[in-house]
Amino acid sequence: SQQGEEDPQALSIQEGENATMNCSYKTSINNLQWYRQNSGRGLVHLILIRSNEREKHSGRLRVTLDTSKKSSSLLITASRAADTASYFCATDARKAAGNKLTFGGGTRVLVKP
Amino acid sequence: NAGVTQTPKFQVLKTGQSMTLQCAQDMNHEYMSWYRQDPGMGLRLIHYSVGAGITDQGEVPNGYNVSRSTTEDFPLRLLSAAPSQTSVYFCASSANIPGLAGGPSYEQYFGPGTRLTVT
Repeated sequence: SQQGEEDPQALSIQEGENATMNCSYKTSINNLQWYRQNSGRGLVHLILIRSNEREKHSGRLRVTLDTSKKSSSLLITASRAADTASYFCATDARKAAGNKLTFGGGTRVLVKP
Repeated sequence: NAGVTQTPKFQVLKTGQSMTLQCAQDMNHEYMSWYRQDPGMGLRLIHYSVGAGITDQGEVPNGYNVSRSTTEDFPLRLLSAAPSQTSVYFCASSANIPGLAGGPSYEQYFGPGTRLTVT
């Protein structure tokens, strides 16, 4: 099974509302990253949080990391229709897992105008 | 910089045919990787490379070969295409090599993808 698992799988909200999605992982990590994918496009990096950080902000994005629970959350505040996309977490695990970034299954977010 | 480029954008193959998906980056990144994405799913790692001349298998390597003769290029070869290989393929590169404790942490840059259909 994948290292990162997102929850929920899909989310539908009204414009202006906040969107929260979670990611759980299994092994120790160096960092955790969040990516966005618009329909039919490649992934775009949003934010990276290191294992020794607990919270990070970037514009309307807020990411938290709880290494004791092996989980992270991504909050998008004041959502816009343009935020409609799939969001993926990716974990950079320690060397024992190999030199690879492992992606979760993603959360599909629909922001209705 | 062009970033990460992939060719072709679309490809239709018949079962048993072979082909090479091209990937190139102009950012002098050490780390390159190939993923496949099936409908409604996340990305699964096929192969990756930590530098020229060094490649390793990912999660789903069967049916695919890679080579890394230069820093810039990381082609993915399908040896004998099967319908199960119908997918969207993404190439990515990074200045950072994942898995290195205490190493710098950089984002992955993704190409636009190749949509492959095997009939």
